[in-house]
Amino acid sequence: EDQVTQSPEALRLQEGESSSLNCSYTVSGLRGLFWYRQDPGKGPEFLFTLYSAGEEKEKERLKATLTKKESFLHITAPKPEDSATYLCAVPYTLAGGGGADGLTFGKGTHLIIQP
Amino acid sequence: DSGVTQTPKHLITATGQRVTLRCSPRSGDLSVYWYQQSLDQGLQFLIQYYNGEERAKGNILERFSAQQFPDLHSELNLSSLELGDSALYFCASSLRGGPTYEQYFGPGTRLTVT
Repeated sequence: EDQVTQSPEALRLQEGESSSLNCSYTVSGLRGLFWYRQDPGKGPEFLFTLYSAGEEKEKERLKATLTKKESFLHITAPKPEDSATYLCAVPYTLAGGGGADGLTFGKGTHLIIQP
Repeated sequence: DSGVTQTPKHLITATGQRVTLRCSPRSGDLSVYWYQQSLDQGLQFLIQYYNGEERAKGNILERFSAQQFPDLHSELNLSSLELGDSALYFCASSLRGGPTYEQYFGPGTRLTVT
């Protein structure tokens, strides 16, 4: 069964203090690794898709990287508005082994940036 | 605002009842997904429809069913409700199927079963 494990579960940083969130996955034939941001009581918001080891994508203070076993979301000089839960996901694997377009999500990292 | 709309925002009902959640995808999107988010299970994929046809089933219970109509809106039907069905239910849509198309999530319906 595909698994997505995120660490840490929660992270509290001071404003401007850079850090990284980890997402490790066990998938046969990765068809994409996705990062989402979720604010309390709202739907997840798409951030990035990574497809192959070595790929990197950036958006403002966020940079996502991918290796063969894990992905990192690097947050550089974060601001309080970056506080959210960050979710990573991979395409869902059906019981018969085929791929689906739905996503299997990790439990997320709850990030708090203190001013 | 993702462009995906869901109604109602909140729903409170009793065990054993049946409810219907509604989702309108972004304009032009053909694929609709339903997800359930609870504190213990996290965000789980339930089912996907593409252009009116069921495309894939995830962790959907037999008591739950869904459909996508010709105008592409979708409904998720939950029956014989149990306390454990209390959760946030999200709909997402994408232009087409496949991992290369981003999924845009709606604001969710919070279901409370008492």
